[in-house]
Amino acid sequence: GESVGLHLPTLSVQEGDNSIINCAYSNSASDYFIWYKQESGKGPQFIIDIRSNMDKRQGQRVTVLLNKTVKHLSLQIAATQPGDSAVYFCAEMWRQAGTALIFGKGTTLSVSS
Amino acid sequence: GAGVSQSPRYKVAKRGQDVALRCDPISGHVSLFWYQQALGQGPEFLTYFQNEAQLDKSGLPSDRFFAERPEGSVSTLKIQRTQQEDSAVYLCASSLDRERPQHFGDGTRLSIL
Repeated sequence: GESVGLHLPTLSVQEGDNSIINCAYSNSASDYFIWYKQESGKGPQFIIDIRSNMDKRQGQRVTVLLNKTVKHLSLQIAATQPGDSAVYFCAEMWRQAGTALIFGKGTTLSVSS
Repeated sequence: GAGVSQSPRYKVAKRGQDVALRCDPISGHVSLFWYQQALGQGPEFLTYFQNEAQLDKSGLPSDRFFAERPEGSVSTLKIQRTQQEDSAVYLCASSLDRERPQHFGDGTRLSIL
């Protein structure tokens, strides 16, 4: 599968590969994190969330890993499909300070069949 | 409907005109948010409502921007005396409460000529 250690704006994978999208968040006090998928012309679509008291959470074909030591979040997509092609954003929130989600730089995932 | 609904999907206005953008949140969602998304960027927070109360408007870029949610359901974002830099996609999101994931509509694409 494709693995990226640092944030890159684009990621190209073959259908069936595993994808890893990375995100560095900005605020060490952030305690809630969400991954969104955004297709062209549409709004961000919720994928999975994780709270800061966890370091891993799994969903259907997706896993989110949280490393608070280095303020790093990753999204793993298993058996990537062409329908997974989109821009992926991580978002953080410090719930004590408010409700605004702070979005990271997006990663464009392109899946070729 | 099951999701957040925004109207119009597209709005073209001349510089100096006033515009109003509408958001219908998911039924029963207490929290409502407005975000602005520039081309190629992640969404940026504008304002937050809990029921009819506007609890955070720290992201509104100027006093030309005004939002309301008078009955705690539908919300309107109004921009007065529009400027070219107001051109963006305006996204609305809602959540059951501030601790839950925010679910986005498909946005209104605003173009100021």
